[in-house]
Amino acid sequence: GAVVSQHPSRVICKSGTSVKIECRSLDFQATTMFWYRQFPKKSLMLMATSNEGSKATYEQGVEKDKFLINHASLTLSTLTVTSAHPEDSSFYICSAKRTEIIQETQYFGPGTRLLVL
Amino acid sequence: KQEVTQIPAALSVPEGENLVLNCSFTDSAIYNLQWFRQDPGKGLTSLLLIQSSQREQTSGRLNASLDKSSGRSTLYIAASQPGDSATYLCAVNTGFQKLVFGTGTRLLVSP
Repeated sequence: GAVVSQHPSRVICKSGTSVKIECRSLDFQATTMFWYRQFPKKSLMLMATSNEGSKATYEQGVEKDKFLINHASLTLSTLTVTSAHPEDSSFYICSAKRTEIIQETQYFGPGTRLLVL
Repeated sequence: KQEVTQIPAALSVPEGENLVLNCSFTDSAIYNLQWFRQDPGKGLTSLLLIQSSQREQTSGRLNASLDKSSGRSTLYIAASQPGDSATYLCAVNTGFQKLVFGTGTRLLVSP
């Protein structure tokens, strides 16, 4: 159990366009979802935390108007990269928690590779 | 600010060797620590989760230890196999729903 999916798995877009990435918890309702970014050969950096029905909390240095997060239901969160630029090219990974228990693990999606030309 | 470091950054070993990956963190106020495996271009697979009150966890050929007071964790892999080749990440749960990830160790096990 505790499967998280992401769609698409990879996307190529032109500079200036917007791209939406979906994160779904397939067999559980997620109280909280997280979005991470990973640069090549680097570790994961938390971008934002989203709770269903409320505004996302962004980490310092992450532009909330550039990376729009919508958590419309307990099983779906979306990340929209607006007016994408080549420097937004990266690997984006989402994760989800089943409960509010602090000690509980997060379940990670397979990631989305974004390439902006 | 919590910082997590992993040593070595890369490791290459012949098949069959036992090996140890190291993870250190600067703030000992953690809820738990988790080891993940990441294959190239893929997401994360959770390997072991150690709560702050625990000293170690074992799963098959993997054993992870935690010394919270000294800010260290190790992942021991016994009898390594080529299929173990991947990047291994440790992450500490700082509370406030946040995981802070280490820099990763890229492991290559050659046949």
